[in-house]
Amino acid sequence: NAGVTQTPKFRILKIGQSMTLQCTQDMNHNYMYWYRQDPGMGLKLIYYSVGAGITDKGEVPNGYNVSRSTTEDFPLRLELAAPSQTSVYFCASRNFDGGSYEQYFGPGTRLTVT
Amino acid sequence: DAKTTQPNSMESNEEEPVHLPCNHSTISGTDYIHWYRQLPSQGPEYVIHGLTSNVNNRMASLAIAEDRKSSTLILHRATLRDAAVYYCILYRSNDYKLSFGAGTTVTVRA
Repeated sequence: NAGVTQTPKFRILKIGQSMTLQCTQDMNHNYMYWYRQDPGMGLKLIYYSVGAGITDKGEVPNGYNVSRSTTEDFPLRLELAAPSQTSVYFCASRNFDGGSYEQYFGPGTRLTVT
Repeated sequence: DAKTTQPNSMESNEEEPVHLPCNHSTISGTDYIHWYRQLPSQGPEYVIHGLTSNVNNRMASLAIAEDRKSSTLILHRATLRDAAVYYCILYRSNDYKLSFGAGTTVTVRA
């Protein structure tokens, strides 16, 4: 299994541009998540999905959109990029398993908006 | 969400044990204690979790206080590869998400 893969690894955007961060998992997990991590900080949840066709907002959803048309893919869309969206973005997935919350993370996408 | 408190940083020598404390005085009976770590320039990875009893796995041990208001992650013999940020997180079994705080930055000296 490749686990959780993210593309691209790095990206520089100009203010006002748009882009889509790709995330794919091959573990047949129902739950998928997008986080952002600013320098020296913990992760903040942007959006999550509990299954294909179902998405919901996390703590910091403004400026982002998501879709979940398949179990495997959970792309994150940035419209009208702003410098405040400069961050490292992590995608994650997990299966529902009672008390264990083993979440699998991708390697991250480092985004700079200038 | 129930809150956890961890020291900002800890240092250790290679081959020595590391004890990482976590306070969670407002923990509820259904909260599981999870630990994740984040190596430099990588996404977080799961380390261990427990509910009431102490737990061991190949990466670490988790010691949980009898009143569950605190726990300690134990790395038995630190290596340079264990240098990372360690997060202590409470997870409620019917919840959908993890909440990451700032964690403890562990430095391992050769």
